[in-house]
Amino acid sequence: AQTVTQSQPEMSVQEAETVTLSCTYDTSESDYYLFWYKQPPSRQMILVIRQEAYKQQNATENRFSVNFQKAAKSFSLKISDSQLGDAAMYFCAYHQNRDDKIIFGKGTRLHILP
Amino acid sequence: EADIYQTPRYLVIGTGKKITLECSQTMGHDKMYWYQQDPGMELHLIHYSYGVNSTEKGDLSSESTVSRIRTEHFPLTLESARPSHTSQYLCASSGRQEPSYEQYFGPGTRLTVT
Repeated sequence: AQTVTQSQPEMSVQEAETVTLSCTYDTSESDYYLFWYKQPPSRQMILVIRQEAYKQQNATENRFSVNFQKAAKSFSLKISDSQLGDAAMYFCAYHQNRDDKIIFGKGTRLHILP
Repeated sequence: EADIYQTPRYLVIGTGKKITLECSQTMGHDKMYWYQQDPGMELHLIHYSYGVNSTEKGDLSSESTVSRIRTEHFPLTLESARPSHTSQYLCASSGRQEPSYEQYFGPGTRLTVT
């Protein structure tokens, strides 16, 4: 069964600095999607960034980028120029083709230090 | 504006009461999901639906039930609420075609059973 592992339950970063959140996954599929979701305190879960496994180029969305290493089954999220509004729980997720479910990691709580 | 709605946002109710958590989406999505999440913790899939009259149990056993009579509506019912049901319940939906494998989340219902 597919699994998603986030090894950092909590992280802190100084405002304006860069932080990288780690994620590894296990799968036997060759074609799949990976996501990073953000859940701010008491607010709605939103999609931050998406990566298609067949694309070698790493996805970027403004200050958010990923380092996708398919062979290593690694999918880390880099946040540049961290802002106070980036404080949230971040969930790494894998789209499972066989039953169209998304498998979520346990999350990393990110604190931004002013 | 296309969106996904959940009502109520907060509910405090006594043990033994029957409750229904509402979820509606205006995006025409076929697939809908219910997750249970304790505050700041991981998401657990409890129910999902691939379309009208389709419902399946998720990975986490739940005493709740769901129905899918209309595409846009996916209510969750607890026949007899217990304190162990205290949690946050998140509804999500996703479309049929890629890149819509991503799930769109509602704001959640925070349930407290006293």
